[in-house]
Amino acid sequence: RKEVEQDPGPFNVPEGATVAFNCTYSNSASQSFFWYRQDCRKEPKLLMSVYSSGNEDGRFTAQLNRASQYISLLIRDSKLSDSATYLCVVNLVGGKLIFGQGTELSVKP
Amino acid sequence: DTEVTQTPKHLVMGMTNKKSLKCEQHMGHRAMYWYKQKAKKPPELMFVYSYEKLSINESVPSRFSPECPNSSLLNLHLHALQPEDSALYLCASSQEAGAEAFFGQGTRLTVV
Repeated sequence: RKEVEQDPGPFNVPEGATVAFNCTYSNSASQSFFWYRQDCRKEPKLLMSVYSSGNEDGRFTAQLNRASQYISLLIRDSKLSDSATYLCVVNLVGGKLIFGQGTELSVKP
Repeated sequence: DTEVTQTPKHLVMGMTNKKSLKCEQHMGHRAMYWYKQKAKKPPELMFVYSYEKLSINESVPSRFSPECPNSSLLNLHLHALQPEDSALYLCASSQEAGAEAFFGQGTRLTVV
């Protein structure tokens, strides 16, 4: 089993749609969780950290379920500019930041 | 300022060459990372430095040799690479190991 697993993509959605990504992790001792986005041929950029109580930043909502060992990202009212690859990142233990495979999102007009 | 600077942006090297990749941050971060990314794949962790000491080596071949001269700088020394080592090499830093990390733009390496 991979240490961090994500929904396979690609997700093709129309503008204005709501889309959700899930990510599971194998180590129950994992300590911190993040969502990044990566545009083609660019570096990953931090989208948001994921807290136990869940957190929201505008159209983006992140949730953590420690019991089931998964994190999620919800994007509401998708924009064309949201098209990118979304990567979950888990600090497995001791600073080992591991990426999931990434989910490609394509928002169409 | 959340900037991590990597040089060079592009590098072409022969299999017998020795070269170095450089990474710099001035955010006072105490953890720095090297990742390797192949096309259409996620970044793969190579090394983690915490407080200037190597804390994680993900079984990386010895032809890759990291160095952390001080808390702001991270180098990756390359020697006798193979064509399959061609990839985007990303440096990142975070306040502490495992905290939210900020990435440089990467060095696109081609081994010929």
